[in-house]
Amino acid sequence: DAGVTQSPTHLIKTRGQHVTLRCSPISGHKSVSWYQQVLGQGPQFIFQYYEKEERGRGNFPDRFSARQFPNYSSELNVNALLLGDSALYLCASSLVPEEKLFFGSGTQLSVL
Amino acid sequence: AQSVTQLGSHVSVSEGALVLLRCNYSSSVPPYLFWYVQYPNQGLQLLLKYTSAATLVKGINGFEAEFKKSETSFHLTKPSAHMSDAAEYFCAVSLYNQGGKLIFGQGTELSVKP
Repeated sequence: DAGVTQSPTHLIKTRGQHVTLRCSPISGHKSVSWYQQVLGQGPQFIFQYYEKEERGRGNFPDRFSARQFPNYSSELNVNALLLGDSALYLCASSLVPEEKLFFGSGTQLSVL
Repeated sequence: AQSVTQLGSHVSVSEGALVLLRCNYSSSVPPYLFWYVQYPNQGLQLLLKYTSAATLVKGINGFEAEFKKSETSFHLTKPSAHMSDAAEYFCAVSLYNQGGKLIFGQGTELSVKP
């Protein structure tokens, strides 16, 4: 069975641009979470979605938004990119929000 | 509020030596604690978790951790390091016993010397 898949694996953007990251959960998983991992730090929680509804939001500005689709895949959108948004963005899926998280390999975003 | 502190951003051991990675937590409720490992260019893999059933928890790849409430600690150990153990290790805390929303520490990079 396929694990959590994220696309693209790498991305380079310039300041002020917009970016969309995509995540496909493990089949049967209905919850998706997003984490930001800046180099040298632990992952920071951004969002959690379950059944297309936002279930939790971390301490991130409104430039960050996400959504979950009927097939439970998810997108993370970041507007007006800043240099500080450069990070590895991890997606994790679980059966339901309280259950074990399975992580994808991440999308490495570089903002120049 | 919950938080996790990992002491030492980098630990270096010789192959065959004891591995000790330190984690202290802060939680206003009984915590659920986790250790994850991250290999280069990969996502996070769960090593083990503490969910209050037993204070000494055994995980994959020979790792184990002991929950000590009096010291608010959950240190990760392995009796004999292997070259393949070189990776980044993260301690995390959650309100949910299976995971859910995780609050991670800053990570400890483990290097293993031949």
